[in-house]
Amino acid sequence: DTAVSQTPKYLVTQMGNDKSIKCEQNLGHDTMYWYKQDSKKFLKIMFSYNNKELIINETVPNRFSPKSPDKAHLNLHINSLELGDSAVYFCASSQGWQNYGYTFGSGTRLTVV
Amino acid sequence: ILNVEQSPQSLHVQEGDSTNFTCSFPSSNFYALHWYRWETAKSPEALFVMTLNGDEKKKGRISATLNTKEGYSYLYIKGSQPEDSATYLCAFVERNQGGKLIFGQGTELSVKP
Repeated sequence: DTAVSQTPKYLVTQMGNDKSIKCEQNLGHDTMYWYKQDSKKFLKIMFSYNNKELIINETVPNRFSPKSPDKAHLNLHINSLELGDSAVYFCASSQGWQNYGYTFGSGTRLTVV
Repeated sequence: ILNVEQSPQSLHVQEGDSTNFTCSFPSSNFYALHWYRWETAKSPEALFVMTLNGDEKKKGRISATLNTKEGYSYLYIKGSQPEDSATYLCAFVERNQGGKLIFGQGTELSVKP
């Protein structure tokens, strides 16, 4: 019955590889997000989709590409992984963005070696 | 660059103590202020979403106030319990930015029995 589920939970990969993190929500929410927890533990937004439409695209390297096949899914694909991409990535969803809190997934810890 | 600052960074209290934390945010272009509770190894969980100056919200022993004109919000916990131990995050939503949450660094609360 997980509301926002991310897979995998842990991902260890070598530099230069391409990897994807999947996110699915079963809450019927319209909006989904990807956040990155940086080295100082701040959560920083990367992307936001509303009903499959990209509405926020922060200044992240274009090696990062989100894909939303439908409003229940928002996947994150990362090309040519670099050491600095190691972080915890959180997916979240909300019913619109005006007055509703986000529901977060449990995070994916990416380690690039 | 918008700054959201929380203080203190960490707090250690005894069971039964009441405590409060501060979140400071830009007072211009305000849209909403979120509070989240983040337990270790879990996902951030929404506590409150506040949008109006003077808003006060309450959930059990936890309450929050909002002053948008001066750009601050307080989170209060009455009679802290060990299960309240967590990191408390606030996040600012700027008007016309697609609902992007800008998080503070959090206040880490530890409640000793």
